[in-house]
Amino acid sequence: DQQVKQNSPSLSVQEGRISILNCDYTNSMFDYFLWYKKYPAEGPTFLISISSIKDKNEDGRFTVFLNKSAKHLSLHIVPSQPGDSAVYFCAASARGATNKLIFGTGTLLAVQP
Amino acid sequence: EAGVAQSPRYKIIEKRQSVAFWCNPISGHATLYWYQQILGQGPKLLIQFQNNGVVDDSQLPKDRFSAERLKGVDSTLKIQPAKLEDSAVYLCASSFPGSGGYEQYFGPGTRLTVT
Repeated sequence: DQQVKQNSPSLSVQEGRISILNCDYTNSMFDYFLWYKKYPAEGPTFLISISSIKDKNEDGRFTVFLNKSAKHLSLHIVPSQPGDSAVYFCAASARGATNKLIFGTGTLLAVQP
Repeated sequence: EAGVAQSPRYKIIEKRQSVAFWCNPISGHATLYWYQQILGQGPKLLIQFQNNGVVDDSQLPKDRFSAERLKGVDSTLKIQPAKLEDSAVYLCASSFPGSGGYEQYFGPGTRLTVT
């Protein structure tokens, strides 16, 4: 039972253009969502998050949008840079004692110079 | 600020052997997590500690996996005996309670190959 889904295994964009990474979830109890970036041979690095009480959160070139009715969130990177090439994981958590994160399968982003 | 430290970085063992991984979290982080990441999948939580107590070990295969966090700081994860399907990257993460525990900081991981 995959509660967090990233249906695009890979994405290729040109430098300077917008990258849009998508994530869908099934559990309506999830109330906090995060994006992590992972380079080869390194651990995931926290990128940006959003609470379910918001529909948008922005941090520099990165913006996360949340559509609760559709159980969908997306990460926008504008403008994309070659250094953004990495695997991006979406993760979700339900409020509770453990704050357990459920991760998607990841999307490999390649930004072409 | 030093990040989450893990060792070893790589380990190759034969099936039925035992192996142990070590993790040192970020100083002051009370919550520690061990994840298993199989190739092509996202990280899956194995066990979560709050200080030196277990909060969630529902997905830990307890017949072969064990973990401890003595004194609420360092932690070890052990597999005994290993199976071929245990080949994966084992990630340790920690979080500070003040952040709500949502933002977890990961170490570089240990890549385990079972032959």
